[in-house]
Amino acid sequence: SQQGEEDPQALSIQEGENATMNCSYKTSINNLQWYRQNSGRGLVHLILIRSNEREKHSGRLRVTLDTSKKSSSLLITASRAADTASYFCATVPPGGYQKVTFGIGTKLQVIP
Amino acid sequence: EAQVTQNPRYLITVTGKKLTVTCSQNMNHEYMSWYRQDPGLGLRQIYYSMNVEVTDKGDVPEGYKVSRKEKRNFPLILESPSPNQTSLYFCASIRGGKNTEAFFGQGTRLTVV
Repeated sequence: SQQGEEDPQALSIQEGENATMNCSYKTSINNLQWYRQNSGRGLVHLILIRSNEREKHSGRLRVTLDTSKKSSSLLITASRAADTASYFCATVPPGGYQKVTFGIGTKLQVIP
Repeated sequence: EAQVTQNPRYLITVTGKKLTVTCSQNMNHEYMSWYRQDPGLGLRQIYYSMNVEVTDKGDVPEGYKVSRKEKRNFPLILESPSPNQTSLYFCASIRGGKNTEAFFGQGTRLTVV
């Protein structure tokens, strides 16, 4: 079963704009992570936020987590053409590190 | 360098011909997992392993087998492939603990005709 569902499924913005992607999930989590995938390649870990955290930053990335709404958002500020990729949220249940469950993903296109 | 190595990268095969996709990691992780990625469906977990000789089904295990005889290797076996198993497959090695992170292989694009 898909735990995370990203929204929107596709997003197209101009270089320099901010990109916001949302993720909703269904069950309790230990942490939530965001990954990036360049066309057809393996996913690469971007950032992790734990269930007791509300916000986290890493460079141009900002992640928020609202456990009461079971949702998270990923903000990429000052986007670049190189940010063009698909972005996935992944959830890890309490005590179940092997059960990293991915959503469908958001396809981001940044137009130069 | 931390690596997950999958082989082959591309494979075209015929229905019913047994095949194995290999996966190897050099990070001494206990947890490993196989996913398939299909358009509009995202990544779905096929099987996972928590350690040597410990494996369990994910969300879409039908038609697949795995084995974990050594910590570093986690091959995916399709005993009798069918066209609906045409997909992009990823192996992941997972670092557990406080900073859980999945490390992915390069992917195997499988076509079953």
